[in-house]
Amino acid sequence: EIVLTQSPATLSLSPGERATLSCRASQSVSSYLAWYQQKPGQAPRLLIYDASNRATGIPTRFSGSGSGTDFTLTISSLEPEDFAVYYCQHRSNWPITFGQGTRLEIK
Amino acid sequence: EVQLVESGGGLVKPGGSLRLSCAASGFTFSNYIMSWVRQAPGKGLEWVSSTSSSSSYIYYADSVKGRFTISRDNAKNSLYLQMNSLRAEDTAVYYCARGGYCTGTICPMDVWGQGTTVTVSS
Repeated sequence: EIVLTQSPATLSLSPGERATLSCRASQSVSSYLAWYQQKPGQAPRLLIYDASNRATGIPTRFSGSGSGTDFTLTISSLEPEDFAVYYCQHRSNWPITFGQGTRLEIK
Repeated sequence: EVQLVESGGGLVKPGGSLRLSCAASGFTFSNYIMSWVRQAPGKGLEWVSSTSSSSSYIYYADSVKGRFTISRDNAKNSLYLQMNSLRAEDTAVYYCARGGYCTGTICPMDVWGQGTTVTVSS
């Protein structure tokens, strides 16, 4: 089973600042990594798939990068609605696994 | 509008059974891999099971293998999760999700339902 480790656990930033979230895989997942956003009481929403592709309707301030074992989700300029929990997930093989999440909170 | 609506959650005693349903609309259900993902209270996301479009392959997380069964009825645009021998640790919100942007047998999950809550307690 591939373990995904996200860092930091919590990130405190202000609107307008740049956010950088990390996801590290215990073994290579090639580019088969996705990022999801989840707000309280809501279902997750797909942001990025295959490391760097934005899903339909996702604002351009969200970008993803990386391959192999190290991945980054960047939010270029935080909007108030971006404060949420973010999860990474691989689709390299079975079982699918998720990272433990990074909580992005308002400073 | 593309939509997934789960139902069937509730309170069940340990050792009991429950069947979850997910009704799909707004897309050609039979073309998509479908999955169940759960989230225990205050915890992260855990993949539970996935089925290919024609049910030719099915996978389960080790934590539910032998107790849960995923199935689908493409004529009814519906996905199911039969849960037997339920345990307290199965308590969670259960989401059904569509596999989109597929380039293989495992796909990112691009559409999610609102979830249905399962509570296992005596």
